[in-house]
Amino acid sequence: KAGVTQTPRYLIKTRGQQVTLSCSPISGHRSVSWYQQTPGQGLQFLFEYFSETQRNKGNFPGRFSGRQFSNSRSEMNVSTLELGDSALYLCASSLTWDTIYEQYFGPGTRLTVT
Amino acid sequence: AQSVTQLDSQVPVFEEAPVELRCNYSSSVSVYLFWYVQYPNQGLQLLLKYLSGSTLVESINGFEAEFNKSQTSFHLRKPSVHISDTAEYFCAVSDPRGSNYKLTFGKGTLLTVNP
Repeated sequence: KAGVTQTPRYLIKTRGQQVTLSCSPISGHRSVSWYQQTPGQGLQFLFEYFSETQRNKGNFPGRFSGRQFSNSRSEMNVSTLELGDSALYLCASSLTWDTIYEQYFGPGTRLTVT
Repeated sequence: AQSVTQLDSQVPVFEEAPVELRCNYSSSVSVYLFWYVQYPNQGLQLLLKYLSGSTLVESINGFEAEFNKSQTSFHLRKPSVHISDTAEYFCAVSDPRGSNYKLTFGKGTLLTVNP
């Protein structure tokens, strides 16, 4: 069974631009969570989607948004990029919203904002 | 709110030496506890987890962690490390009650195993 895939793996953007990152969960998994990883703040929860609905949201500004499609694939969007948005963005999937103890992570998308 | 403290940001050890990576959490309720490992340029891999039952949990590659409720700790140990264990290790906690199942992570401990 294929793991969680994230595209693209690396991305370089300029301040003020917007970016969309994609995550394909493990087949059969319907819950997708997003995390931001930076050296200073560590791993921080962004949001979680289940059956196309956002169930939980972390403490991030409205510039960060996401969505989930009927096939469980998810995208996250960051508008008006700032230098501080440079990070590794990790996506994780699990069967349902209450099986977080079996959450599998993708390799991440490394976003660099210049 | 939950929080996780990993007491050491870096732990250098020699090959075949024992190692302990410390993790303390703050929560007033029962929790799920996890250790994840991240190798360079990769995502996180679940190493082991405590949900309930036996307080000592083991992974397939020789790591173990013990849940200590009175000390609110979940330290990770390995009696003899290998070069290949060099990675960053993250402790995480989740509250199984209600519907907020997000993981709260510690800042990570970089384990460097030297020959």
